[in-house]
Amino acid sequence: KAGVTQTPRYLIKTRGQQVTLSCSPISGHRSVSWYQQTPGQGLQFLFEYFSETQRNKGNFPGRFSGRQFSNSRSEMNVSTLELGDSALYLCASSRQGTNTGELFFGEGSRLTVL
Amino acid sequence: AQTVTQSQPEMSVQEAETVTLSCTYDTSESNYYLFWYKQPPSRQMILVIRQEAYKQQNATENRFSVNFQKAAKSFSLKISDSQLGDTAMYFCAFMKQDAGNNRKLIWGLGTSLAVNP
Repeated sequence: KAGVTQTPRYLIKTRGQQVTLSCSPISGHRSVSWYQQTPGQGLQFLFEYFSETQRNKGNFPGRFSGRQFSNSRSEMNVSTLELGDSALYLCASSRQGTNTGELFFGEGSRLTVL
Repeated sequence: AQTVTQSQPEMSVQEAETVTLSCTYDTSESNYYLFWYKQPPSRQMILVIRQEAYKQQNATENRFSVNFQKAAKSFSLKISDSQLGDTAMYFCAFMKQDAGNNRKLIWGLGTSLAVNP
């Protein structure tokens, strides 16, 4: 069974640009969550999608957005990039969402903003 | 607000020894879940162990076990017979339920564990 796949793995952008990250969950998993991981802040929850609907949202500005498609694949978008957006963005999938707490993570997309 | 505190940013242990990672949390809820996740260098985060607050018995998964002290709001992870592959960042997480009946994971900042040969 294939795991959670995130693309791209690494990317470099400049301030003001936008970026789109993709996540393909494990087959059969309908929930996808996104996290931002930085050394100082740890894992910060961005949002969770379940069956194409945003079910939970963290405390991030509106520049951060996401969506989920009918095949459960998810994308997140960050517009008007800032230096502080440099981070590892993790995607996690599960059958039921965070209701069970058991998440399956991808390897992450490492974003560097110059 | 619920918080999760891991007071040990870094730890090291000799191969085959036992090490305990600390985690404390703050909540007013009586029923919740606690987790330990492991993130090896440049690899995916994986679930190590899960504890349901209403269960008094401490969870165990092979060499990994927890010491869950509900009154003290403490949830430590013990790794026995440490192996080189245990080298990783370990995150403690608490699952809370918000006003909208949705559940969210609150994460600690992690403990970086190095297992030395």
